[in-house]
Amino acid sequence: SQTIHQWPATLVQPVGSPLSLECTVEGTSNPNLYWYRQAAGRGLQLLFYSVGIGQISSEVPQNLSASRPQDRQFILSSKKLLLSDSGFYLCAWSVFQGYRDLTGELFFGEGSRLTVL
Amino acid sequence: GQQVMQIPQYQHVQEGEDFTTYCNSSTTLSNIQWYKQRPGGHPVFLIQLVKSGEVKKQKRLTFQFGEAKKNSSLHITATQTTDVGTYFCAVLMKGAAGNKLTFGGGTRVLVKP
Repeated sequence: SQTIHQWPATLVQPVGSPLSLECTVEGTSNPNLYWYRQAAGRGLQLLFYSVGIGQISSEVPQNLSASRPQDRQFILSSKKLLLSDSGFYLCAWSVFQGYRDLTGELFFGEGSRLTVL
Repeated sequence: GQQVMQIPQYQHVQEGEDFTTYCNSSTTLSNIQWYKQRPGGHPVFLIQLVKSGEVKKQKRLTFQFGEAKKNSSLHITATQTTDVGTYFCAVLMKGAAGNKLTFGGGTRVLVKP
């Protein structure tokens, strides 16, 4: 069966410090991978998505970046955190279905709660 | 660009009562998905609707896709405390690098016992 792991679960970082959140998927190949952010009490904002190794699409211009060094690994990074980067970061995967008009459900990780002070 | 509006933003429901949350788009949708996020948890997939006018039921939850495929609704009957959480609709958008799901703002449901 497929599983998704996301870490760390919680972290508190000072403004200006770097960030690295990791996400790995097991039990599937060539998944679509996503990073979402959720501010407290708010909706889900898509940050990045990837349909393959080294292929990253950015949805919102900001000081965050994403990388996909391996098929089932997705990393969210920042060189210098801002206060506004605080939030609940969710990694998700879905079955790759090319560019057809249908997509499978998203499977979310447990999330990483980031507080920037 | 395409946006998905979800109403209401908040829903306070007396236990045992029914309620409905709506998801509206300005453009025709290929499909729509619904997710539930419990407080402190992560979103969990509930259902996907594809066909015009489609209606699907999961116990006390009824999901409907509009005839024009521009809106959808989730109706919950006889609300229970276990229904507490935020319900999101999500629609497929074609991006430059593939398909991606865009979520509505969610309806946060609070149940009064």
